[in-house]
Amino acid sequence: VQLLESGGGLVRPGGSLRVSCEASGFSFSTYAMSWVRQAPGKGLEWISEISGGGSRKYYADSAKGRFSVSRDNSNNTLYLEMKNLRVEDTAVYLCTRGDIITGAAAFDIWGQGTLVTVSS
Amino acid sequence: QSVVTQPPSASGTPGQTVTISCSGTSSNIGSNFVYWYQQFPGMVPKLLIYRNDQRPSGVPDRFSASKSGTSASLAISGLRSDDEADYYCAAWDDSLSGQVVFGGGTKLTVL
Repeated sequence: VQLLESGGGLVRPGGSLRVSCEASGFSFSTYAMSWVRQAPGKGLEWISEISGGGSRKYYADSAKGRFSVSRDNSNNTLYLEMKNLRVEDTAVYLCTRGDIITGAAAFDIWGQGTLVTVSS
Repeated sequence: QSVVTQPPSASGTPGQTVTISCSGTSSNIGSNFVYWYQQFPGMVPKLLIYRNDQRPSGVPDRFSASKSGTSASLAISGLRSDDEADYYCAAWDDSLSGQVVFGGGTKLTVL
């Protein structure tokens, strides 16, 4: 059971970036998936969750209107599209497996994360 | 500032029992399950407690948790030096179309 993030990097304020998370070792479409971020030296901040089938999506206030979560169950991949990035979005973005239903903070599998740096 | 509040730090000596509190509201802890995570420096979080008081396989029974009303707590008994880590509580919040809220985290120091 594994989650592998990719796509992080350096981006200018106002720019866009898409990060990905490839899942393996479990029935990907069965589980809700979330993105959680952690700024350097700071705590965990939940960003977004998507249901197993992809029909239900939830966002933190900090992500609403700028971030978009999606998934491709045929390729076992989770995405987070980020637009209008701000310096304060700088963080390690972690992909995590949720419960079989949405509506729970149950994250039992975590990827290693991908670093997104927003700087001019 | 998180809507779920934890003390920023806690400490104890080896063998002691330490308790970490987590205070929320009726829309999160008061109406949903609480989860606890352990994170060592440079590592990703690990699920420590699920559904208020359940331990995943492999988590020692030195770790226990409870919930009452809009508050929850994590207790670590027989404290060991390798329990030194950051601990986070989390819950779903039914307000604002639904979202997960994490506590700010508690850094546990074993003296």
